[in-house]
Amino acid sequence: DTGVSQDPRHKITKRGQNVTFRCDPISEHNRLYWYRQTLGQGPEFLTYFQNEAQLEKSRLLSDRFSAERPKGSFSTLEIQHTEQGDSAMYLCASSTEGAYEQYFGPGTRLTVT
Amino acid sequence: GQQVMQIPQYQHVQEGEDFTTYCNSSTTLSNIQWYKQRPGGHPVFLIQLVKSGEVKKQKRLTFQFGEAKKNSSLHITATQTTDVGTYFCISGGSNYKLTFGKGTLLTVNP
Repeated sequence: DTGVSQDPRHKITKRGQNVTFRCDPISEHNRLYWYRQTLGQGPEFLTYFQNEAQLEKSRLLSDRFSAERPKGSFSTLEIQHTEQGDSAMYLCASSTEGAYEQYFGPGTRLTVT
Repeated sequence: GQQVMQIPQYQHVQEGEDFTTYCNSSTTLSNIQWYKQRPGGHPVFLIQLVKSGEVKKQKRLTFQFGEAKKNSSLHITATQTTDVGTYFCISGGSNYKLTFGKGTLLTVNP
C-alpha cells in the first residue's frame, strides 16, 4: 500500500501524559498537513510542512503541540500534558507542491481519560 | 480558503432516490474541491472545479460550478448504500490548507 499511513491508529492516554503520533506521507509528496477532527465536525487545519520546513501553524495549535518533519519525509505530532479536550481524530494528509488535492491517512484516534 | 456555506446539513434518502448538496459563497471562488468521508473513514478527494460553468461527471455523480463561480453542487443519481457519508465542498483559496465546513451527511435507507 503506497498511501498515507499513520501510527498508532488508536491511542488512549491519561490526562497529563504526553503522546506522539507518526505520519508517513506518499513518498513523492513534499507537502504534509496535520488536521484534527471531532465528532460531527469537519477536519480543522493544524499545521503544514513543505519538505522539512513548517510553513504555517494554526492558532488551534497551542504551545503543548509540536510537529516536526526532520528529513522531509515522515512527520511526528506531539501533544504534551494532554487534556480531555484533546480527544479527537488526528489526520495527516500529503500532496505534491502545486496540487490542490490532498491524500489523507486513516487517522489516529486519541482518547484522553 | 474562502468561506462557503453548504446545505443541507443532513439528508436522508431511500435507496434509488436522487440527492443534491449545494455550496454557496458571497464572493467569487477561484476553485471548488469536493471530498467524501465515509463514517469512520478519512476524507477522500473527489474532484476539483476551476472553470466558470464547469460540469464534470463521475459515474452517478455530477459536479457543477456556477457561471459566476459563487456556487457549486454535487448531484447523485439513484443513490446506493455505498454513497453514505459526509460530502464536503471546500474553496481552495490557496493551494495548501483546506478549510472544511460541516459538510452534508447523507444517509441511505436500503
